[in-house]
Amino acid sequence: SYVLTQPPSVSVAPGQTARITCGGNIIGSKGVHWYQQRPGQAPVLVVYDNDDRPSGIPERFSGSNAGNTATLTISRVEAGDEADYYCQVWDSPTDHRVFGGGTKVTVL
Amino acid sequence: QVQLQESGPGLVKPSEPLSLTCAVSGGSVSRGRNYWTWVRQPPGKGLEWIGHITNDGTIRSNSSLQTRVTISVDTSKNLFSLTMTSVTAADTAVYFCARGVESLATVTFYFDLWGQGTRVTVS
Repeated sequence: SYVLTQPPSVSVAPGQTARITCGGNIIGSKGVHWYQQRPGQAPVLVVYDNDDRPSGIPERFSGSNAGNTATLTISRVEAGDEADYYCQVWDSPTDHRVFGGGTKVTVL
Repeated sequence: QVQLQESGPGLVKPSEPLSLTCAVSGGSVSRGRNYWTWVRQPPGKGLEWIGHITNDGTIRSNSSLQTRVTISVDTSKNLFSLTMTSVTAADTAVYFCARGVESLATVTFYFDLWGQGTRVTVS
């Protein structure tokens, strides 16, 4: 089955930019979606279709996807962005929905 | 707006079945092309897709769990359910229900709405 690989953790200072990667075989050919999960809470969709934002999600959250890597970028990081972030794709051969292992973003 | 709420027993004995329901409010499980989904998260670990059911009864489940999982929908009560048999400690997790939607732009699926989750311990 399709495997998504994320770094376990990313640290960033307030006001700086955090980049969270999601690796997969020719992931650039897929639509990638990103979720934010704060401690003790349910996941929240922050980016869908590689680079679209649901209503209510700040413009500071953006996405890109090419080759074997998709990236979630959080600009002007705030303390409230500290959370786990998961990428997700649809694996068409199996019709499975697949999540990456998650990345913990720590705001220094 | 549409909201999802999980319910079920917090504690299940090993080898017994686990049954959870997800009540849908503010919308109908039988309207639209949605994928009513179950996702779980073991303590300290990541998210795992369990499976979904559509309002036309199409079911897909994770091949790693397929033989133990049943997903159903009750349109009269506006809810959908998960039953997992022969549970072990490895099934201890927070179980989320979610609404899956299809993106025509990228021909893929994502989850735009989640319940708050319900914790299940197998012991």
